[in-house]
Amino acid sequence: QVQLVESGGGVVQPGRSLRLSCAASGFTFSSYGMHWVRQAPGKGLEWVAVIWYDGSNKYYADSVKGRFTISRDNSKNTLYLQMNSLRAEDTAVYYCASEGIKTASAFDIWGQGTMVTVSS
Amino acid sequence: DIQMTQSPSSLSASVGDRVTITCQASQDISNYLNWYQQKPGKAPKLLIYDASNLETGVPSRFSGSGSGTDFTFTISSLQPEDIATYYCQQYDNLPPWTFGQGTKVEIK
Repeated sequence: QVQLVESGGGVVQPGRSLRLSCAASGFTFSSYGMHWVRQAPGKGLEWVAVIWYDGSNKYYADSVKGRFTISRDNSKNTLYLQMNSLRAEDTAVYYCASEGIKTASAFDIWGQGTMVTVSS
Repeated sequence: DIQMTQSPSSLSASVGDRVTITCQASQDISNYLNWYQQKPGKAPKLLIYDASNLETGVPSRFSGSGSGTDFTFTISSLQPEDIATYYCQQYDNLPPWTFGQGTKVEIK
């Protein structure tokens, strides 16, 4: 079945780096745009970044621009989020989500999320 | 950036009640609006797309309406399994994709 599985979360000190992964299965990964969305503890959803189906375009939220990099390896059906210069305010559950597999312009498939805690 | 304002931020209703949530965009977004449900500890789930279209498999007690800047999400008869936080999301003027702050629905 269609599935997204995130990994790579954990506890990291401020200023350090972490790379998240999102493994896709059950659909043609290389045909769809992919997003990262995060949710700080007890807070709402915040869009983080998007990458086009072929990696040709990438966009970021202002809050992470210049620190985070989204990428994908279509040969491995995997999405990544490289997070550098982490701050306490980056603490959140990070979800990957596909756009348009079933429904155009909607985040229609979500992973289960991976927790990132930035703390000294 | 387009701001999305949801109200109320939380509500408590009885089983069987009609529940309505509103979402207002800071500028005209036509019908470029989705609604998501997030149950505690779970990932969000798409319920409504393009303001009023029900995602496949979603119960018909859920509905959405509106266009321009004002949108409404309705549960016609609240069920215990509907306890969740609901979010609107615009996809007109991109990036960024923006969500409302969420509405937490509880059972009275």
